[in-house]
Amino acid sequence: EAQVTQNPRYLITVTGKKLTVTCSQNMNHEYMSWYRQDPGLGLRQIYYSMNVEVTDKGDVPEGYKVSRKEKRNFPLILESPSPNQTSLYFCASSATGTGNRETQYFGPGTRLLVL
Amino acid sequence: AQSVTQLDSQVPVFEEAPVELRCNYSSSVSVYLFWYVQYPNQGLQLLLKYLSGSTLVKGINGFEAEFNKSQTSFHLRKPSVHISDTAEYFCAVRWSAGGYGGATNKLIFGTGTLLAVQP
Repeated sequence: EAQVTQNPRYLITVTGKKLTVTCSQNMNHEYMSWYRQDPGLGLRQIYYSMNVEVTDKGDVPEGYKVSRKEKRNFPLILESPSPNQTSLYFCASSATGTGNRETQYFGPGTRLLVL
Repeated sequence: AQSVTQLDSQVPVFEEAPVELRCNYSSSVSVYLFWYVQYPNQGLQLLLKYLSGSTLVKGINGFEAEFNKSQTSFHLRKPSVHISDTAEYFCAVRWSAGGYGGATNKLIFGTGTLLAVQP
């Protein structure tokens, strides 16, 4: 089954304790992206990756890091989480073959609470 | 900057009534348009999309949307809603590479509309 998986689904942590949220897709997609969803703000892009070893900032990259060492994985790293990073996080992936037309597929989300 | 506007944060409607969820975007330069649905405690699921061709697009669960280039709108409609349609609906737009400084694949989302279907 084609899917995007994220782990963990729920996470409670404390300020400053480094954490990683994993994202994996089995569709051989080149493009992957992280979003955060906050009430009244919709989804905002954090980082994206056009392919292996190619990453770039989205609209709200501060406080986050990513890496793309393998095509299927795109982990999101919070080196020193703060309470304002409490949010619902989504990973998404899509192909890039015909230039922007492809549908993005979303993971189930990771709900993060930073105390 | 490009933007997507969903003016209605919440739309209450009675079961079996028709509904329209509004979406407007900032520029009509070569766009691809999407509606996603998010059921409670779930991820986003693609409802329908407009890439080219007919401006009336039909999606899953009886929803349809119409691309109006002159009004830069992509409103979502359903003639008769069910309780199970209660969810948050997000409009998203991708501008083509030529129309958005070369960026590709980036989706810009509206702030979402909560459709609350009442019995």
